Amino acid sequence: DTGVSQDPRHKITKRGQNVTFRCDPISEHNRLYWYRQTLGQGPEFLTYFQNEAQLEKSRLLSDRFSAERPKGSFSTLEIQRTEQGDSAMYLCASSLARRYEQFFGPGTRLTVL
Amino acid sequence: KNEVEQSPQNLTAQEGEFITINCSYSVGISALHWLQQHPGGGIVSLFMLSSGKKKHGRLIATINIQEKHSSLHITASHPRDSAVYICAVTRGGNEKLTFGTGTRLTIIP
Repeated sequence: DTGVSQDPRHKITKRGQNVTFRCDPISEHNRLYWYRQTLGQGPEFLTYFQNEAQLEKSRLLSDRFSAERPKGSFSTLEIQRTEQGDSAMYLCASSLARRYEQFFGPGTRLTVL
Repeated sequence: KNEVEQSPQNLTAQEGEFITINCSYSVGISALHWLQQHPGGGIVSLFMLSSGKKKHGRLIATINIQEKHSSLHITASHPRDSAVYICAVTRGGNEKLTFGTGTRLTIIP
């Protein structure tokens, strides 16, 4: 399978715990995006990488959120001290280059109790 | 006001009907995207267009740059077309997507 993969698919955690999600983009794609989608809403942009460089972060991404893309391959998104408001679907997408379509992973659904 | 607005929010139709979903945007864009999201969350890109019209099977997407408006049409709709259809735009630079809230389409057999 050469699509975008995300792990885990589902995560249930208690408020205050830390969680980490992983995204593996399509191998030759140098652009990687993280989005967040809450129930009944369209996704919202969180952050963007070109190769290993994180080039933009949304104001939605508080200090509790951090993302990395070491070596320009897979990416991780960590949320520290989770809050109930962090409950959402976290989506990863990758694209080959500028002006190319984005391919989405299946998402990680986070539930914070 | 959202930068990307879709209508209708919900649409229920009988199998075989011609479906139209509309999208309006208020900013300059480099491209407009139509995406499909099935229950469970997976998003699939249907079209990316910056002018004119594109067709793929029973799906047709059009865009009018001057009016900042796009439509997605489905001909001979089928229950398997039931999904959320999302319009999104990119504005150059990092090409991040700005999404509308989606149109939930239900096709009844």
